[in-house]
Amino acid sequence: QSALSQPRSVFGSPGQSVTISCTGTSSDVGLSIYVSWYQQYPGKAPETLIYDATKRPSGVPDRFSGSKSGNTAFLTISGLQAEDEADYYCCAFAGRYTWVFGGGTKLTVL
Amino acid sequence: QVQLVQSGTEVKKPGASVKVSCKSSGNTLSDFFFHWVRQAPGQGLEWMGGVNPKNGDTNYPQKFQGRVTMTRDTSINTAYMELSSLTSDDTAVYFCARDLMRWGQGTLVIVSS
Repeated sequence: QSALSQPRSVFGSPGQSVTISCTGTSSDVGLSIYVSWYQQYPGKAPETLIYDATKRPSGVPDRFSGSKSGNTAFLTISGLQAEDEADYYCCAFAGRYTWVFGGGTKLTVL
Repeated sequence: QVQLVQSGTEVKKPGASVKVSCKSSGNTLSDFFFHWVRQAPGQGLEWMGGVNPKNGDTNYPQKFQGRVTMTRDTSINTAYMELSSLTSDDTAVYFCARDLMRWGQGTLVIVSS
């Protein structure tokens, strides 16, 4: 069970949009809609941004959106804000009640 | 508002075992899949396994099979994760997560001689 592939880092300026990719295989990302995204600040627990590939929990700003195409999922953050600087992780259901995470992406707001 | 409250920092010697607890408020453990995820210093998140709410069955990735045991006590809404034969590589923050949606605050486990 290999980790999903994410870019190690992405950069963006305030107000811009950034997209983070999460690439897996037909055995995980491509298997179902069960892909989620998390935001994590240093020393803190992850917080859920997106679940079921495109859904946002209540309280998550609509600046965060998720999509999926084939074996790749995407997290898009629009109207970038300084507070968005954090680590972002994807996670996918890999069948038989197993899950796999991506390696994580560090977002820097310039 | 559901909260998951985990037990405190543990310091263990190599070869020992550690048991981390995760108490759920609001909803019972029987309604949701409970996962355990760890994060080594400076590293990413790693799924360690989970407990099926319907029957208490557990699923562990091959990496942890034989070394991890996940249990639950539904009478007190508490989930447990026990990891044995600890090495320095097991030094990490361990998180419980209900349905991978709601997360505990994390428990730091330090393995050091």
